[in-house]
Amino acid sequence: EVQLVESGGGLVKPGGSLRLSCAASGFTFTTYSISWVRQAPGKGLEWVSSISSTSTYIHYADSLKGRFTISRDNAKNSLSLQMNSLRAEDTAVYYCARDRYGDYAFDWWGQGALVTVSS
Amino acid sequence: QSALTQPASVSGSPGQSITISCTGTSSDVGTYDYVSWYQQHPGKPPKLIIYDVSSRPSGVSNRFSGSKSGNTASLTISGLQAEDEADYYCSSYTISSTRVFGGGTKLTVL
Repeated sequence: EVQLVESGGGLVKPGGSLRLSCAASGFTFTTYSISWVRQAPGKGLEWVSSISSTSTYIHYADSLKGRFTISRDNAKNSLSLQMNSLRAEDTAVYYCARDRYGDYAFDWWGQGALVTVSS
Repeated sequence: QSALTQPASVSGSPGQSITISCTGTSSDVGTYDYVSWYQQHPGKPPKLIIYDVSSRPSGVSNRFSGSKSGNTASLTISGLQAEDEADYYCSSYTISSTRVFGGGTKLTVL
């Protein structure tokens, strides 16, 4: 069965950094694009970033203004999101989501990791 | 990257049908048939229920259907059931190779 398990969430002070990880299993990781999607408390979904299967294509939401960096390690079936210069408005549950093969729909989601930015 | 526009809430009685709209622009919904819909119950991750405007993943009830006209996509749920009460989100691919979600619609089954 497809599994995506996020880790690395927690409490961080404004201006700080945090690195999220997503461990994938149950499918051929090297053939799928993967994305990060976040959801602020009580709010809607917001796409953060996507990375193609071989890391050739990487895209970010304009609102991030270069503060976040997505990467993947196909040898370890893992995805990462390095988040710098964190702000209170970055507080959210961060989901790792698999792109449907050859498509742009998110067909499998992890349970999410909570990131809280607060002093 | 403005969010797609969805109604904040819709409601219907068991057995009825409801439709949720998702309005974008010629930079996203109007150009691509990569519109997807997600169902999210409280405290749970979203679940894909429609992809490519009108296709259903395996295991999703045929009570869920999708369509698109111009810059607006729609999700229709027929034969409403209590378990359909949830938040629903649309999403689209964009000409900038990014993705965009709608603001979400809360469905209440009366």
